[in-house]
Amino acid sequence: EPEVTQTPSHQVTQMGQEVILRCVPISNHLYFYWYRQILGQKVEFLVSFYNNEISEKSEIFDDQFSVERPDGSNFTLKIRSTKLEDSAMYFCASSVQREIEQFFGPGTRLTVL
Amino acid sequence: SQELEQSPQSLIVQEGKNLTINCTSSKTLYGLYWYKQKYGEGLIFLMMLQKGGEEKSHEKITAKLDEKKQQSSLHITASQPSHAGIYLCGVRLAGTASKLTFGTGTRLQVTL
Repeated sequence: EPEVTQTPSHQVTQMGQEVILRCVPISNHLYFYWYRQILGQKVEFLVSFYNNEISEKSEIFDDQFSVERPDGSNFTLKIRSTKLEDSAMYFCASSVQREIEQFFGPGTRLTVL
Repeated sequence: SQELEQSPQSLIVQEGKNLTINCTSSKTLYGLYWYKQKYGEGLIFLMMLQKGGEEKSHEKITAKLDEKKQQSSLHITASQPSHAGIYLCGVRLAGTASKLTFGTGTRLQVTL
């Protein structure tokens, strides 16, 4: 069964460093998303992406964040200058259409020291 | 107040017992999604409900969306240890395109 994959599973970085989290959505999906979950808190929406542009973003998704679909299969989230409060589990998700179920990847645990 | 309330926050049931988890939105919703999460892992999609009164079942899990489309219940019949995990309710609210807003989750433990 097709699934969303994410790499790496765990990333440790120093405050101020740039990180890129990678995702491979399900192949026939057209909508892509990033969510994050700070330990012990709710899953929070960051951004949605369709047709090579951001379709919706949250207040969390500020200028430090960017997303890209560099090729036909990968979808990336870049954090330019990480802060301690960026430590969280980051989930990528994808869906065939906007209004239907989103399928989530296993997540990347980001630890900022 | 929270946009989305889930209750209870946690639940311990004996294997074989039935249980119900509730999700209530303070705003009009256009879609409600139930997911299951194991600690430290990704979200597994269970069911999507879009129409008031809609009811869906998958194996021993049944979810229903009430007529006014602001509340859903998830019912597990004859619980098993494999049902243990965190059940998350996510909603697509009016005025948003595809963003899902999640509740705090219900942590379910099933004892032998």
